Amino acid sequence: DAGVIQSPRHEVTEMGQEVTLRCKPISGHNSLFWYRQTMMRGLELLIYFNNNVPIDDSGMPEDRFSAKMPNASFSTLKIQPSEPRDSAVYFCASSFGPLEAEAFFGQGTRLTVV
Amino acid sequence: AQKITQTQPGMFVQEKEAVTLDCTYDTSDPSYGLFWYKQPSSGEMIFLIYQGSYDQQNATEGRYSLNFQKARKSANLVISASQLGDSAMYFCATVSNFGNEKLTFGTGTRLTIIP
Repeated sequence: DAGVIQSPRHEVTEMGQEVTLRCKPISGHNSLFWYRQTMMRGLELLIYFNNNVPIDDSGMPEDRFSAKMPNASFSTLKIQPSEPRDSAVYFCASSFGPLEAEAFFGQGTRLTVV
Repeated sequence: AQKITQTQPGMFVQEKEAVTLDCTYDTSDPSYGLFWYKQPSSGEMIFLIYQGSYDQQNATEGRYSLNFQKARKSANLVISASQLGDSAMYFCATVSNFGNEKLTFGTGTRLTIIP
């Protein structure tokens, strides 16, 4: 298996533009997580899905952020409109099943909003 | 809600020495899991070791072991015979039970191995 695949690896965009980050989880995994990592705040969980259903989106900063998981093999995180403070590394991770499941991380998308 | 505390923002250790990275957690769940992840400068998150709250023995994976003290709610990572390639950020994380698989991470410890 190729692991969790995120695209793009790097994104530079202008303030106000829409940004879409993509994630393909590991086949067979039923949980998917979106994290944001910054120097100031560390790793923050934004949202996670279980069996394609959003379970907890309390970490989503504001209405400008939205996430979807239309099927078991694809998820998107969208920011519209983007702002400079959204600049961060965004990680997607997936895991199989419950408590003791190891979460496998993608390589992250480094987003810079100028 | 869960909370992870890593009190060491940075550590410098001589190569070949053992390293202990501290992690304390706060959870009200009777059953939970504890994880350690390594993040090298390249940015990816690498799973190192897992400990279940009901596991009787401390988890070990090669040079990594987890010093689990349930009563103290601590889950320190021990790296034996440190190597230069161990230089990275290390994150402790916990996951709840009862179908809630949300991972909660600490703020991390930056470990630098000195030759």
